[in-house]
Amino acid sequence: DVKVTQSSRYLVKRTGEKVFLECVQDMDHENMFWYRQDPGLGLRLIYFSYDVKMKEKGDIPEGYSVSREKKERFSLILESASTNQTSMYLCASSPLRTEAFFGQGTRLTVV
Amino acid sequence: QKEVEQNSGPLSVPEGAIASLNCTYSDRGSQSFFWYRQYSGKSPELIMFIYSNGDKEDGRFTAQLNKASQYVSLLIRDSQPSDSATYLCAVNPGGATNKLIFGTGTLLAVQP
Repeated sequence: DVKVTQSSRYLVKRTGEKVFLECVQDMDHENMFWYRQDPGLGLRLIYFSYDVKMKEKGDIPEGYSVSREKKERFSLILESASTNQTSMYLCASSPLRTEAFFGQGTRLTVV
Repeated sequence: QKEVEQNSGPLSVPEGAIASLNCTYSDRGSQSFFWYRQYSGKSPELIMFIYSNGDKEDGRFTAQLNKASQYVSLLIRDSQPSDSATYLCAVNPGGATNKLIFGTGTLLAVQP
């Protein structure tokens, strides 16, 4: 079975902190994604990566950056956390042109 | 216009009935289409995918794709209370990368 693992299930951070969300997949997938999910807004793509060190902006990249130094790991960085970044963050991976597999999600609260 | 649109619901059906979930998309060049189920507090899990026009059946689930009309639907036969969840439609618009665009989801409630 495909496994996508996110480093934390729940996180509480203070405004202005630098926050790292980590995601690891074990299926050698080329593509990895970071989404955030908010009530009424669905899943919105923040960034995605189609290869090591390659990244593309999604629909809502402002306030976020990403890093993919190894194929299996994709990190989402909140440079200076703000309360409007309180959300559920979902990482996913997929091989080329097929379905995405999701991690368990990280519920981030910024206070 | 949103790229992938779904009725947010809730869609309420009695146990044993057929639930019909619909999704429209704006990019006519879209290549592949996915239905995910998401229980409250959990992450999305894939139910079905469909690439070609027509119907695709898997157990109680049938996915239908009509590229000319730019819609994809999911039918759930013999609905069970355990089917109560949010159903997300996702579209791969094609091109060089495998970006997936999601609708906002339809909440399905199956009444015992």
